[in-house]
Amino acid sequence: DAKTTQPPSMDCAEGRAANLPCNHSTISGNEYVYWYRQIHSQGPQYIIHGLKNNETNEMASLIITEDRKSSTLILPHATLRDTAVYYCIALTHAGGTSYGKLTFGQGTILTVHP
Amino acid sequence: DADVTQTPRNRITKTGKRIMLECSQTKGHDRMYWYRQDPGLGLRLIYYSFDVKDINKGEISDGYSVSRQAQAKFSLSLESAIPNQTALYFCATSEDTERDYTFGSGTRLTVV
Repeated sequence: DAKTTQPPSMDCAEGRAANLPCNHSTISGNEYVYWYRQIHSQGPQYIIHGLKNNETNEMASLIITEDRKSSTLILPHATLRDTAVYYCIALTHAGGTSYGKLTFGQGTILTVHP
Repeated sequence: DADVTQTPRNRITKTGKRIMLECSQTKGHDRMYWYRQDPGLGLRLIYYSFDVKDINKGEISDGYSVSRQAQAKFSLSLESAIPNQTALYFCATSEDTERDYTFGSGTRLTVV
């Protein structure tokens, strides 16, 4: 899986959009960009994923650059409950021994303040 | 009710004891996973199962065993617990080849 690079921490005011960047310059053509988050000691929570096109769901939007070397997770109206560590991961959907392997890096600690 | 339920939530056990962590899911997913999380090491895959008859070792299976009793149940056993198995353990499920896993709330295990 391609290495991803994220800023260690970010702050955001409640009610504002939180834009979390991720660099994945070595991503291969069959690797998807996945975002998870983990609120202190809780189980990781899947947020969104995409391959080439921008994606949106009820939690967030994912913007992937045309060259796929970077992406941005957008939480449109951040709340205090969005305070968490956010992980950007490049993953394939292929089989073999990569199944289940979910390597989180250091992620970005997002702090949403009132 | 949670989609993926782990029991117990917290457990303290002594070195050498056998312990079982249980996981049940209401997602109807075939695929289930056990991970452990240690500070600074992220998630590491212990075992995974794609259906009731399928069990596979992950990155760190030594000292652990699993049982897939039914589609909805996947338990993890430590046959003889040791202190370096102190960690946060997560069970997860997925529907197919996509990696949008649903995790349980975790079991904090301490081996003294």
